Amino acid sequence: DIEMTQSPSSLSASVGDRVTIACRASQNITNYLNWYQQKPGTAPKVLIYVASTLQGGVPSRFSGSGSGTDFTLTISSLQLEDFATYFCQQTYSPPPWTFGQGTKVEIK
Amino acid sequence: QVQLVQSGAEVKKPGASVKISCKASGYLFSSYAMHWVRQAPGQRLECVGWINAANGNTKYSQKFQDRVTIAKDSSARTVYMELSGLRYEDTSIYYCARVVASRGRSYFDYWGQGTLVTVSS
Repeated sequence: DIEMTQSPSSLSASVGDRVTIACRASQNITNYLNWYQQKPGTAPKVLIYVASTLQGGVPSRFSGSGSGTDFTLTISSLQLEDFATYFCQQTYSPPPWTFGQGTKVEIK
Repeated sequence: QVQLVQSGAEVKKPGASVKISCKASGYLFSSYAMHWVRQAPGQRLECVGWINAANGNTKYSQKFQDRVTIAKDSSARTVYMELSGLRYEDTSIYYCARVVASRGRSYFDYWGQGTLVTVSS
């Protein structure tokens, strides 16, 4: 299985901060990398697919970059509604696919 | 609009089986595969398996291969996941998730609300 490792596992930030979350794959996954946001008690919601394409309806302050094994999710100016847990997911290998362990973004 | 509505919470004893349903609406049922994903408390999301809603073909994660069955009832627009030989560590929220897979992209675009399965003696 392809292992996905996120860093950091958690971070504290203030409204308006620029936030960056990293995701590393255990092998080359080209650009088959998705990002999800999950708020407590709700299902995950896709933000970005194939590394950098914004899902419809997702605010433009979210962006994704990277290819190969290293990827980044950036929130350019953190808003109150962005405090949540973020997961990366690889879809390079045939399913079932694998996820990162999550990064919890908390209010400083 | 697309909706995936799952069955309610379950409490089961170790060794028992649980069957969860996921009823789809708002789209052509046979056009999208459905995956099952679980999330234990404080843990990462974990794919259990998936079903091709057009032909019924299934594929399971090796971890669950011997204990899980995923099936569909197209007339009812419903997908089912049954997990047998339950263990305490199977306590999780189980989600169904529809997958978009075309033109080089694959991702889960709609999710059910989740079903909590608690394994307790």
